[in-house]
Amino acid sequence: AQKVTQAQTEISVVEKEDVTLDCVYETRDTTYYLFWYKQPPSGELVFLIRRNSFDEQNEISGRYSWNFQKSTSSFNFTITASQVVDSAVYFCALSAYNTDKLIFGTGTRLQVFP
Amino acid sequence: DSGVTQTPKHLITATGQRVTLRCSPRSGDLSVYWYQQSLDQGLQFLIQYYNGEERAKGNILERFSAQQFPDLHSELNLSSLELGDSALYFCASSVQGATGNTIYFGEGSWLTVV
Repeated sequence: AQKVTQAQTEISVVEKEDVTLDCVYETRDTTYYLFWYKQPPSGELVFLIRRNSFDEQNEISGRYSWNFQKSTSSFNFTITASQVVDSAVYFCALSAYNTDKLIFGTGTRLQVFP
Repeated sequence: DSGVTQTPKHLITATGQRVTLRCSPRSGDLSVYWYQQSLDQGLQFLIQYYNGEERAKGNILERFSAQQFPDLHSELNLSSLELGDSALYFCASSVQGATGNTIYFGEGSWLTVV
């Protein structure tokens, strides 16, 4: 069975702090895809990143970075120098190779205070 | 803006009623997905259509049905509504399936059943 676990329900930080959101996944497939989405207070789901299981390179996009480690089945997301606009719920999701649906974690609510 | 358009954004209806949610996928995307986000169930996959044909089914109730039309827009029909159907319903689209493709979500339709 496939599963995504986001153990951190809620994180609060002060602006400019770095914060890491954890994501642990379970799958028996050798080929799979991992995603992060952001859900701001307005409700929409915003795509952040997609990573396939063969690409373990870390990725950096501005203040965002992702660390994918197959050995620990983790796909963690770090925001550097957090800003109030980063306040949102962040979801990690998994898609297996031969299925077309996303399995979402329960999300981590990030609150960034000024 | 993801390019996925959903209407209506908000609706309030009474128990036992029927509603239709509408979705226009991103230009060029053939696959449409419906997800439900509720407080107790989190983000759940309901159903997927690819180029007019049902492709995958998730936790969709028998009272719910969907279809994708020749112009690729999709509708989700919810009938005999119950209080527990109150949720945020997302439509998403991708070029083909989730496998290897990014899924982009619309802003969602907030359904309140009273």
